[in-house]
Amino acid sequence: GENVEQHPSTLSVQEGDSAVIKCTYSDSASNYFPWYKQELGKGPQLIIDIRSNVGEKKDQRIAVTLNKTAKHFSLHITETQPEDSAVYFCAAGSSASKIIFGSGTRLSIRP
Amino acid sequence: DTEVTQTPKHLVMGMTNKKSLKCEQHMGHRAMYWYKQKAKKPPELMFVYSYEKLSINESVPSRFSPECPNSSLLNLHLHALQPEDSALYLCASSPSGDGYTFGSGTRLTVV
Repeated sequence: GENVEQHPSTLSVQEGDSAVIKCTYSDSASNYFPWYKQELGKGPQLIIDIRSNVGEKKDQRIAVTLNKTAKHFSLHITETQPEDSAVYFCAAGSSASKIIFGSGTRLSIRP
Repeated sequence: DTEVTQTPKHLVMGMTNKKSLKCEQHMGHRAMYWYKQKAKKPPELMFVYSYEKLSINESVPSRFSPECPNSSLLNLHLHALQPEDSALYLCASSPSGDGYTFGSGTRLTVV
């Protein structure tokens, strides 16, 4: 089955700087890679996703890159703001079956 | 309506009680999911319903019993739970296996 590893587990960046979170997956059949943001007391919220036929996707300050050969994908947040503080989960899988979550990254933005 | 609504938000139950968690969505999504999330851990898949039929059961103990009465509703019936079952129970839906929308969850405490 799929196994997703996520690093780092905690990340602290200065407001305005960039943050990068990295994930690796094991199953070459995985073709769908979403990223979720979870704030305290709330359910995960989908912030961006990418499919295996695309190498990069951007939405305002958020971008995701995918390297299928290396089985790596990354989340990039630029110009970080205090409201970006949360736990971020990557996930991998197939839309035909299920997705598996990474272990999460707690992102803190320092003022 | 772009939300998944879960009730109740909090539940305390004894080990001999029977209770039910409810999830509702009106986005026309055909896939619905139950996840369990322990503190500081990623969500773990429990059940997947596709077109109102159970398609995935991740070897969940029988004290958890899912039910999908119609395309908008998903229930999780609980009976004879253990203290270690205390967790945040998340419901999610998706149109076709990706782009999950999560509810805010039910925080369950078993005493």
